[in-house]
Amino acid sequence: GAVVSQHPSRVICKSGTSVKIECRSLDFQATTMFWYRQFPKQSLMLMATSNEGSKATYEQGVEKDKFLINHASLTLSTLTVTSAHPEDSSFYICSAPGPYQETQYFGPGTRLLVL
Amino acid sequence: SQQGEEDPQALSIQEGENATMNCSYKTSINNLQWYRQNSGRGLVHLILIRSNEREKHSGRLRVTLDTSKKSSSLLITASRAADTASYFCATGGGGNTPLVFGKGTRLSVIA
Repeated sequence: GAVVSQHPSRVICKSGTSVKIECRSLDFQATTMFWYRQFPKQSLMLMATSNEGSKATYEQGVEKDKFLINHASLTLSTLTVTSAHPEDSSFYICSAPGPYQETQYFGPGTRLLVL
Repeated sequence: SQQGEEDPQALSIQEGENATMNCSYKTSINNLQWYRQNSGRGLVHLILIRSNEREKHSGRLRVTLDTSKKSSSLLITASRAADTASYFCATGGGGNTPLVFGKGTRLSVIA
């Protein structure tokens, strides 16, 4: 089946620094990718929709200047958490619609810890 | 936003027992999907049921859908310790649209 990778899988950073997370579709092209955030023991909340060749669409309450999204190619979307703070610590997961039907393929997630 | 509720929020059973998880949603749907998430990992698609279907099977999984009640259930038969995970229902996902997830059920299967 289709594979989506994420890098890094885990990152610890100091407050005020920026962190970039990559999401790649390995064996298929994805003009659209989705970024979710998941806090412990909670569900996935959609942050934004990443569109290849155009601006990302952000969900209400998600700061576009803080969570920068770049969909540089048909296989790569990046999420940059700028000036990270401890409250940004979370599990970030990307997904991409598969080649067929309505299912989506998820990356393994990135655990961010901001100290 | 989240589509609806899932119950129970947490379920603990013995190996070999059946596990039933329920999901409710709010809007009209074309399909409903169930995903599984192992602790600290990404999600894996389990099964998709379309709005014109009432029941679907895949191995030890059985999914039902009642569009009149806007609810779905996932049954895992003869559970195994390896089934321990969180299970989420989700709607949407067609035409490059995002999925909207329920709150999930954390299943623990005790050997």
